[in-house]
Amino acid sequence: GQNIDQPTEMTATEGAIVQINCTYQTSGFNGLFWYQQHAGEAPTFLSYNVLDGLEEKGRFSSFLSRSKGYSYLLLKELQMKDSASYLCAVIDSNYQLIWGAGTKLIIKP
Amino acid sequence: DTAVSQTPKYLVTQMGNDKSIKCEQNLGHDTMYWYKQDSKKFLKIMFSYNNKELIINETVPNRFSPKSPDKAHLNLHINSLELGDSAVYFCASSQDAGGPYNEQFFGPGTRLTVL
Repeated sequence: GQNIDQPTEMTATEGAIVQINCTYQTSGFNGLFWYQQHAGEAPTFLSYNVLDGLEEKGRFSSFLSRSKGYSYLLLKELQMKDSASYLCAVIDSNYQLIWGAGTKLIIKP
Repeated sequence: DTAVSQTPKYLVTQMGNDKSIKCEQNLGHDTMYWYKQDSKKFLKIMFSYNNKELIINETVPNRFSPKSPDKAHLNLHINSLELGDSAVYFCASSQDAGGPYNEQFFGPGTRLTVL
């Protein structure tokens, strides 16, 4: 079966750095997305990785290792507005998007 | 300006009723989706249409029937509503159905409560 694992919940402090991990077992791989979803709102696109390595975009970076079936989302200089759920999603060999259950990130002052 | 819009935003109804949720996208995308997100926040794909053709139909009760009158619209009709149907329903669209990069743009969601 297809499976994407993320921690259910994480807590971090304002101004700090947090890393949210995602591991996947899917039938094939054609890319991995990270989405952010604030409570009561729709998911919004953060990043896309298809090659191994780190993609940096401002305070957010996303890393991929295809051989390990592993990705992480790194958030730096955390702000209170970063409190949200972070969803990992993988495109499989049929080009279908398989979603993880999301990681709820709580930021404390 | 809204890229993907859904109506209504909130829907409260009684068990056994029939209701519809409408979705429209003005991005010129070829593919549209319906997702259900339950209280545990897990996002589950229900249907996907590409150019008005059904391409994904996950294990969903046949009380749920999508309709795509044109590629900019994908409506969801639900018959004989049950308590377990209470959830947030998201519509989304993407440029392509296949291909390695199909970033999905989500509508604001419709919170359905069945009493």
